[in-house]
Amino acid sequence: GAGVSQSPSNKVTEKGKDVELRCDPISGHTALYWYRQSLGQGLEFLIYFQGNSAPDKSGLPSDRFSAERTGGSVSTLTIQRTQQEDSAVYLCASSLQRVSTDTQYFGPGTRLTVL
Amino acid sequence: AQSVTQLDSHVSVSEGTPVLLRCNYSSSYSPSLFWYVQHPNKGLQLLLKYTSAATLVKGINGFEAEFKKSETSFHLTKPSAHMSDAAEYFCVVSASESQGNLIFGKGTKLSVKP
Repeated sequence: GAGVSQSPSNKVTEKGKDVELRCDPISGHTALYWYRQSLGQGLEFLIYFQGNSAPDKSGLPSDRFSAERTGGSVSTLTIQRTQQEDSAVYLCASSLQRVSTDTQYFGPGTRLTVL
Repeated sequence: AQSVTQLDSHVSVSEGTPVLLRCNYSSSYSPSLFWYVQHPNKGLQLLLKYTSAATLVKGINGFEAEFKKSETSFHLTKPSAHMSDAAEYFCVVSASESQGNLIFGKGTKLSVKP
């Protein structure tokens, strides 16, 4: 079946602009996660959603970052007033439930470059 | 707090020889542990996971890992390396029993020489 998809695959933007990154999880998966992969920090958790519960935003690095999940499916990660240190690959993952034993399936990522 | 340490940032082996990628973890509870692989310009793929069942876990492509609580280790092994195994490997621990988000190690880049 279809896996996790993300768009765009690449995004180049100028410092100070806002960007939106999209994630389509696997159908039927109630949990959705965003991670960031950068050279300096490795892979780090940003935010997750579970069904209709309030999201866990504990990993967001600043208030310029926000995310929504509409209808329990598609999610959008928004970065306002982008900075050069936001350059990274943003990965989305989904799992059946938000439990520690569930396998998370990752999308191919969006490579963000801030000039 | 949960954490993982991958002891080698880069491992190089010859094709046909064994692979050992080392991982130690720290956990305040009985953890779920994972190994993910990332091929160049590809997404993360699950190799195997430990979730408190059998301590020896078999994964895809001939990889396996053994959970050793006394040593707080979860090393990844394969008897015979293939050229296609060249990739970056991540040891991962779940953040807590109730939270599903993952904590990643820094990664080990595996090179395979012909």
